[in-house]
Amino acid sequence: QVQLVESGGGVVQPGRSLRLSCAASGFTFREYAMQWVRQAPGKGLEWLVVISYDSSNKYYADSVKGRFTISRDNSKNTLYLQMNSLTAEDTALYYCARDAAIPPGTIGYFDYWGQGALVTVSS
Amino acid sequence: EIVLTQSPATLSVSPGERATLSCRASQSVNNYFAWYQHRPGQAPRLLIYDASNRATGIPARFSGSGSGTDFTLTITSVEPEDLAVYYCQQRYNGYGFGQGTKLEIK
Repeated sequence: QVQLVESGGGVVQPGRSLRLSCAASGFTFREYAMQWVRQAPGKGLEWLVVISYDSSNKYYADSVKGRFTISRDNSKNTLYLQMNSLTAEDTALYYCARDAAIPPGTIGYFDYWGQGALVTVSS
Repeated sequence: EIVLTQSPATLSVSPGERATLSCRASQSVNNYFAWYQHRPGQAPRLLIYDASNRATGIPARFSGSGSGTDFTLTITSVEPEDLAVYYCQQRYNGYGFGQGTKLEIK
């Protein structure tokens, strides 16, 4: 079955960096676009970034553009999110999600999600 | 930027009753629109895509309708397990979510 497992979360000081990983299994990872979505405490879901199956296309939300970088290693079935210049507003549960590819070849719906990695930005 | 506004913020429904959740987009998103269920402590789940198509494994009591700017998620005969926050999302321009509607079970 499809599994997505995030790791790399923790407590980090403002201005520092952190890299999240998402290990995928149960499907052919290299065939699917992948996304990161976060949820701040007491808030709703916020889409952050998407990467195409072959890394040729990446789209970022304005809130993280220039600070966060998405990447993937299809040989390792792993998705990454490099987060720089973190602020308290980045405190959230970070989810990786598989794009549903509905219809095939399109991007934009998320059919499988991980359980999330908690990132706390605090001094 | 397309803004999605959900209403009501909280909806309280008795088991067996119908629940109607709404989402309005600040501009047309055609039918590039989805609904998600987010139960406490669980990962979000895709319910409806392209405004009215149920995702794999979603019970028939969940249905979606609408196009353009106004969309509705209907849950006929609510069950206790439907306790969750429901989010709308568009993929017409970017991939933003609404702020959520919390469904409470009386």
